[in-house]
Amino acid sequence: KAGVTQTPRYLIKTRGQQVTLSCSPISGHRSVSWYQQTPGQGLQFLFEYFSETQRNKGNFPGRFSGRQFSNSRSEMNVSTLELGDSALYLCASSLAPGAEHEQYFGPGTRLTVT
Amino acid sequence: EDQVTQSPEALRLQEGESSSLNCSYTVSGLRGLFWYRQDPGKGPEFLFTLYSAGEEKEKERLKATLTKKESFLHITAPKPEDSATYLCAVAGTASKLTFGTGTRLQVTL
Repeated sequence: KAGVTQTPRYLIKTRGQQVTLSCSPISGHRSVSWYQQTPGQGLQFLFEYFSETQRNKGNFPGRFSGRQFSNSRSEMNVSTLELGDSALYLCASSLAPGAEHEQYFGPGTRLTVT
Repeated sequence: EDQVTQSPEALRLQEGESSSLNCSYTVSGLRGLFWYRQDPGKGPEFLFTLYSAGEEKEKERLKATLTKKESFLHITAPKPEDSATYLCAVAGTASKLTFGTGTRLQVTL
């Protein structure tokens, strides 16, 4: 069974631009969560989607948004990029919603903001 | 607010030298404690889920245990391929994973 896939794997953007990242969950998984990983803060929860609805959201500004499609694929968008948004963005999928269920991570998208 | 503290930050072991990694947590209504392994440049790889104090799970050279305040990941006779960062996370009533900053393990010959 194929794992979680994320595209693109690497991105370089300039301050003020916006970016869209894509995530395809494991087949049959309907819940998708997004995380930001930085050396200073570690892994931090961004949001969770299930059945095309955002179920939960972390403590990030409104510049960070996401959506989920009917096939469970998900995208996250960051607008007006700042230098501090440089990070590894990870997507994880699980069979059911809620953090108590095992989540399987993709390889991540490395975003560099210059 | 849920909190996870992992220690030590880094650990260097010789092949065959057993040790334990610690994960201390405070959480409102524990729904699960998770251990992940992360290799450089890759996403975290799921290892274990523990749901209640006293629970133990094993996989090859790894054994995870859980008490009401902390979890341990015991590594028995490690090999160089066990070198990675090990992450601990908790899920509470807020229904989101809160991660620790990890323990970087290096196993040398």
